[in-house]
Order: sequence, then structure tokens, then C-alpha cells
Amino acid sequence: EAGVTQFPSHSVIEKGQTVTLRCDPISGHDNLYWYRRVMGKEIKFLLHFVKESKQDESGMPNNRFLAERTGGTYSTLKVQPAELEDSGVYFCASSQVSTGKLEQYFGPGTRLTVT
Amino acid sequence: AQSVAQPEDQVNVAEGNPLTVKCTYSVSGNPYLFWYVQYPNRGLQFLLKYITGDNLVKGSYGFEAEFNKSQTSFHLKKPSALVSDSALYFCAVRETGFKTIFGAGTRLFVKA
Repeated sequence: EAGVTQFPSHSVIEKGQTVTLRCDPISGHDNLYWYRRVMGKEIKFLLHFVKESKQDESGMPNNRFLAERTGGTYSTLKVQPAELEDSGVYFCASSQVSTGKLEQYFGPGTRLTVT
Repeated sequence: AQSVAQPEDQVNVAEGNPLTVKCTYSVSGNPYLFWYVQYPNRGLQFLLKYITGDNLVKGSYGFEAEFNKSQTSFHLKKPSALVSDSALYFCAVRETGFKTIFGAGTRLFVKA
């Protein structure tokens, strides 16, 4: 079974530019989550999809961040325009509640550097 | 509000010695508690969880954790550390719903 994949693994952009991160969850997982870890601090929840619907987006920092999950498969997280404080590692995770497992499966992350 | 505290940025232990990585939490209801491990250039991997029942839960790679409701703690333990256990460990809590709160992580160094 393929795990959660994320693309790109690393992105370096200038302040004001746009970046789009992609996450492919484990096949069949309805739940998809985005998290961010900044400067070695805690991993912060950004949002949660159930299939294509946003279930909880309380962690999204501001309206420069837009997440989509068209068709309920892969998800994208766009940052436009990027600011210096957006730098960090963005993790995606997926889970399938119907299996009874509550744990989440994480991708390797995308390291975003805004200069 | 939910919160998770990992009071130690780093834990150093000699190979073969027991290890403990500390975690305390704050939730208003009954928590679901998790430990994840991150190896370099990899995503977080699930180690173990506490949902209900026995306070001592066992997980992958010989790790275990003890849920202590009165002290609101969920410390990660292993009787005998291996050099290969060196990694970044995250404690996490989930209340109702799916939102999971993570601690800042504790880096474990196991010396040969």
C-alpha cells in the first residue's frame, strides 16, 4: 500500500510569490489533514477535509492560504502571496475512520522557504 | 483549550538504559492520546495510542506509554534504548472531532 505522498519536497520562493503544495493521501482514506511546523515548534493543525468537504479549517492562518480537495482525492494548499512567516514544513496526513483506526498517516512534508 | 506540553527539548540516554520522554496534556473531556516518531527526512510515524482501558499501552519498536489521568500525563517509555531509537518524538491529543493537537517534539539521542 502506497503511503501519503507530498510534492514538492522542498520549495524556495520569494516573498510575494505564489506556491502550491500537493498531497496525495492513502487510497481510500476519506479524511485528509494539513499541518504546519514552524521553526522547530509544535506541529499546528491547519484544516481537515472529509472527502471533498472542509470539515474544520479553524487553523488556517489567514486568507492567503487556500486549500482544495476536488473530487475527494488529492489536495492542494496554495499560499498567495507568500510572506516570510509562512516558512516551515507543511505536513499532510490521512486517515480512514471506518477501519476503526484513529491514528493518522503522515507524508514526508514539504519544506517551504520564503526569502 | 486543548494543549500538549513536552517539557524536554532533548533527552540523552545511553544504549541499553531505559528511556522516558515526557508529555502532559490539557483537555476538557476524555482524551485520545498518541505518540508519533519522526526520523530524518521522513513523515511522522504512529507509535501507539491510548483510547480507553488499560493505562499502560504498548506500541511499535518496544515502546510503551502510561496514561495517568490524575497527573494528565502520557509519558513514553522503553526499557532498553537502541541507537536506532534516536529521532524526534511527538505527543498528541485529540478530544472530540478530528482536530489533533501536537506538542513541540522531543529529540531523543541514544549514545552507543
